[in-house]
Amino acid sequence: ETGVTQTPRHLVMGMTNKKSLKCEQHLGHNAMYWYKQSAKKPLELMFVYSLEERVENNSVPSRFSPECPNSSHLFLHLHTLQPEDSALYLCASSQDRTSGGLNEQFFGPGTRLTVL
Amino acid sequence: DQQVKQNSPSLSVQEGRISILNCDYTNSMFDYFLWYKKYPAEGPTFLISISSIKDKNEDGRFTVFLNKSAKHLSLHIVPSQPGDSAVYFCAASEWDAGGTSYGKLTFGQGTILTVHP
Repeated sequence: ETGVTQTPRHLVMGMTNKKSLKCEQHLGHNAMYWYKQSAKKPLELMFVYSLEERVENNSVPSRFSPECPNSSHLFLHLHTLQPEDSALYLCASSQDRTSGGLNEQFFGPGTRLTVL
Repeated sequence: DQQVKQNSPSLSVQEGRISILNCDYTNSMFDYFLWYKKYPAEGPTFLISISSIKDKNEDGRFTVFLNKSAKHLSLHIVPSQPGDSAVYFCAASEWDAGGTSYGKLTFGQGTILTVHP
């Protein structure tokens, strides 16, 4: 596998379900991100992990819970979601500037989430 | 308040002609700008970038121009090809005042480019 992978690609869940989205990067980067893309809106940054520490949490509801067990893996745990949470969830990774990176983020294909 | 704006939701161009995609920003602290391309059912793909110390960067058919005084950047695609049809996002990055070094990007809403054969 190369680049950034995300599983599952599609997910349909009820409001009472618990599910997790998985992201894995094979680029040796040290920062990982979760974004939400809703129809006709800009990408919304949800969470940032830098060196496996959460460094940003953009007022995301607690029904979204991220986890970064190591620099290559990122999870987004979902529980009691609402229909308005239906969106494309994108994972990205980058190398930070102090390590020679230029903030170019590399994205996975996304998980299309539908909440019924 | 949206700090990065792409005011044209869509653009239609004939194959072989130039496509010009525009982006405006309001935050004067942004120092690095990127363009991403996105096909349906795929994540955005990095296309080209430019640092604020430059006013032009070229990569094959793609050229990005930066006008710092106007807080405006544009992406030129010459010649346009049907395979260029996609959504194009501009994004901007700043060196965080708090000293963090990860790449926080602020994205525009995107412009749908359609290149007709």
